[in-house]
Order: sequence, then C-alpha cells, then structure tokens
Amino acid sequence: GESVGLHLPTLSVQEGDNSIINCAYSNSASDYFIWYKQESGKGPQFIIDIRSNMDKRQGQRVTVLLNKTVKHLSLQIAATQPGDSAVYFCAENIHNDYKLSFGAGTTVTVRA
Amino acid sequence: EADIYQTPRYLVIGTGKKITLECSQTMGHDKMYWYQQDPGMELHLIHYSYGVNSTEKGDLSSESTVSRIRTEHFPLTLESARPSHTSQYLCASSGLGPTKQYFGPGTRLTVT
Repeated sequence: GESVGLHLPTLSVQEGDNSIINCAYSNSASDYFIWYKQESGKGPQFIIDIRSNMDKRQGQRVTVLLNKTVKHLSLQIAATQPGDSAVYFCAENIHNDYKLSFGAGTTVTVRA
Repeated sequence: EADIYQTPRYLVIGTGKKITLECSQTMGHDKMYWYQQDPGMELHLIHYSYGVNSTEKGDLSSESTVSRIRTEHFPLTLESARPSHTSQYLCASSGLGPTKQYFGPGTRLTVT
C-alpha cells in the first residue's frame, strides 16, 4: 500500500494567509521527502525536498517541516497567492533510489 | 520550464487498437519514468529506465510496454487498448539527485 498520504483532500485559503498542507508517512526507511505542485492541465513540478536527517528546510515562501517522531511532514506556504492554487503531493524516496512514491494530493484553492 | 514533451496531449481511441504515447526530453537525463494518474489522485509508477537499453516495471502493474533506444526518447505502447486503460499518463525525467523529477504535460487517454 501507499507509504505517504495527506490528511485532507482539500484546503481553502484566503489570499494573503499562510497555508499548511500535511502529510503522514509510515516508512521509516525513507531518505528524502519531497513536495510537488500540480497545476490544472500540467505535470507536477518540484517545490522543495528535505532529507530525513533534517527537521526543517526553507525555500522561497515555502517551509517544509519533518517530525520523525510522529512521522509527519508539512508544507507551509507564506502569503498564499492565487497562483498557489493547485494540487500538492508529498512523495518519498527510499534507500536513495531514484524512484519516488507519491501520496494522494491536497487541492488548495485560494479565495480572493 | 523543463524541456520534456509528450504527444499526443489527448487521445480518444476504440477498444483493441494499438497505441504509442511519445515522450522526449532534451536535457540529456539518463533516468526516465512513466506514471499513471487518475484525476486528482496520486501518481503510480508503471515503468522506469536508468539508461539506454534499460527498462524496469514500476510499482503498479501495467499491460503497457516501454523501450529506451535513445537517451532522449521513452515511448510507451499499449498493444490492445481497453476501457480500463483510460487515465492520464505522465512522463518524467531526472538527472543527478534522487528527488527532482521533471514532468511532461501528460497524455489524457480515453478508450471507448
């Protein structure tokens, strides 16, 4: 079965607010956790990754947090914009292989 | 923007027909992948290749086949299409590093 998954299938956010998207995983052997964004009619696009020996990683307007104790991963988007409306997927990479295992997505809708 | 292309973007075809979905990338990546994705759902890896003349089946069983004769080209073939093959097929490639894959826009296949 799937090793990664998301808590909520949909998230509605007011423009300008911060978004938090959650993901639970079950495989402790994962080396990396990754977030992808898929806009309507397009393929997924890499956002950010975090290695399993880290707790936090920041990018441009995004922060990924990893809590290994409860096997939980989150993506925080600061000052959410209309262009952030998309489906977000978490994924994991095991044993430093090149294959990725994707969880179910969360659809983020930004309200004007 | 990643330089990875898929054709056709949309295909409606009758049961029993043979089809080939094309995927090409101009980044010189040695690793390429095919995923199957139902609308709004997670991606399932069906085939991957780590180089020319190297192909492997992914985690989701598929009746499709692939070939990798050239680095830039990774076509997927269905010998006899069936309605159960109706789905979106996404091609991806990656270079160095285990987390960043570049996706094409996908082919939405409908088998009637």
